[in-house]
Amino acid sequence: AQSVTQLGSHVSVSEGALVLLRCNYSSSVPPYLFWYVQYPNQGLQLLLKYTTGATLVKGINGFEAEFKKSETSFHLTKPSAHMSDAAEYFCAVSVIERQGAQKLVFGQGTRLTINP
Amino acid sequence: NAGVTQTPKFQVLKTGQSMTLQCAQDMNHEYMSWYRQDPGMGLRLIHYSVGAGITDQGEVPNGYNVSRSTTEDFPLRLLSAAPSQTSVYFCASSYRVFTEAFFGQGTRLTVV
Repeated sequence: AQSVTQLGSHVSVSEGALVLLRCNYSSSVPPYLFWYVQYPNQGLQLLLKYTTGATLVKGINGFEAEFKKSETSFHLTKPSAHMSDAAEYFCAVSVIERQGAQKLVFGQGTRLTINP
Repeated sequence: NAGVTQTPKFQVLKTGQSMTLQCAQDMNHEYMSWYRQDPGMGLRLIHYSVGAGITDQGEVPNGYNVSRSTTEDFPLRLLSAAPSQTSVYFCASSYRVFTEAFFGQGTRLTVV
C-alpha cells in the first residue's frame, strides 16, 4: 500500500528566505504525486502535480517540486518566501493498485510560518 | 460554477445519533472521496467512489457508510456517532484519481 511521510509538522522561515518542505512516499507501482495547500478554514487547493515526464514540476505562486525516484522523494521548494505563503501544505500520492483500488492518500501536513 | 458543495458547514451530534453529510459536484467528475482531518494526522481517506454505483473503503471506514446513486452526489452517513468521530470532514472530486482534486469547504462535526 502507498503512504506519504512529510518531515516536519512545522516549518518556520523568514520572509525572502528559501522554503523547503520535505515529502517521501512509498508505492509499489509508479505514483502520481501532488502538493496541495490549505489556508485557514478552507478546503485544499492544488499547487502542483507530477504524473510522467519532466521530473522538475512548476506550480502556482512560484512553487516547484522535483520527483526523485531513487530517493522516493518529492520535496517542495520556493526560492523566496512571502507572507502570503503561510498555510498548511500537504503532499499526496495517488495509485491505481493491481487489485483495482484507486486511492489518493495524503501526508500528515506541514504548517509553514513566515516571519517578517 | 459551484464546484464541490458540502452541507452542513457545522454540526453538533449526541453520541449514538446518526446523520448524513451531503456532497455534490457539478463538474461531471467520476472520482469522489471523503476525508477526515484531525490535528497532526493530515487527511485520512474514509471512502471513495470511481463512478456511480461503485464505492470502496479507504483507510478509516469503520462507522461510516456511503453510496453513489448518481455521478453528482456522494453522501457520507454516520451510523451511530461517537466522540472519536469529532473531526473536520472534506469531500473531494476529480475526473480520475490521478487528476486534480477539488475540495469542498468542509464540515466541522462535534460529537458530544
